[in-house]
Amino acid sequence: GAGVSQTPSNKVTEKGKYVELRCDPISGHTALYWYRQSLGQGPEFLIYFQGTGAADDSGLPNDRFFAVRPEGSVSTLKIQRTERGDSAVYLCASSLEFGANVLTFGAGSRLTVL
Amino acid sequence: AQSVTQPDIHITVSEGASLELRCNYSYGATPYLFWYVQSPGQGLQLLLKYFSGDTLVQGIKGFEAEFKRSQSSFNLRKPSVHWSDAAEYFCAVGDPFKTIFGAGTRLFVKA
Repeated sequence: GAGVSQTPSNKVTEKGKYVELRCDPISGHTALYWYRQSLGQGPEFLIYFQGTGAADDSGLPNDRFFAVRPEGSVSTLKIQRTERGDSAVYLCASSLEFGANVLTFGAGSRLTVL
Repeated sequence: AQSVTQPDIHITVSEGASLELRCNYSYGATPYLFWYVQSPGQGLQLLLKYFSGDTLVQGIKGFEAEFKRSQSSFNLRKPSVHWSDAAEYFCAVGDPFKTIFGAGTRLFVKA
């Protein structure tokens, strides 16, 4: 597509529920990144993919968070047993080449855990 | 470890006045440096980047930034601010594979 698309744009869930956030990167972009932005903070790195594999998942806060990119294009961030502290905007970005490091961001998915 | 410090949480400038947003970084080698802007309801947009070469880099919307290795700084400047520049600005540092962001500086523009 023309830009990085993220769905849903807003998600409200209850504590303990499971959520999935989807990212559709720019067509042809091989690198894909997930960041989390809490209120009043800068984006915090979570994970990035080169192709189908997670090249660095060191930013995932705990084992409740998991991300996949099975075909090297669309990615899904999965959060199990959500907690109120997971409330944030989850940003996805893609880059034309792995190592080019110029990121194009989506508008984000705002997650609210009640 | 990599880190980015933006000392000013928010700054207010008058329309037409000059602007400088400060950024200091900690990095073990020559970093890749970036400035991004985030307007309300919009995604992060790249303003400019420094990888190597000339330490004064030009970006979009009339912004520029200067890399000063001795001061570990990469300050963003604009000679004349427009009301539409009101937004949150993020400095970022990284290597070719991973980018770390600062906490941001919110810019307010007064008429």
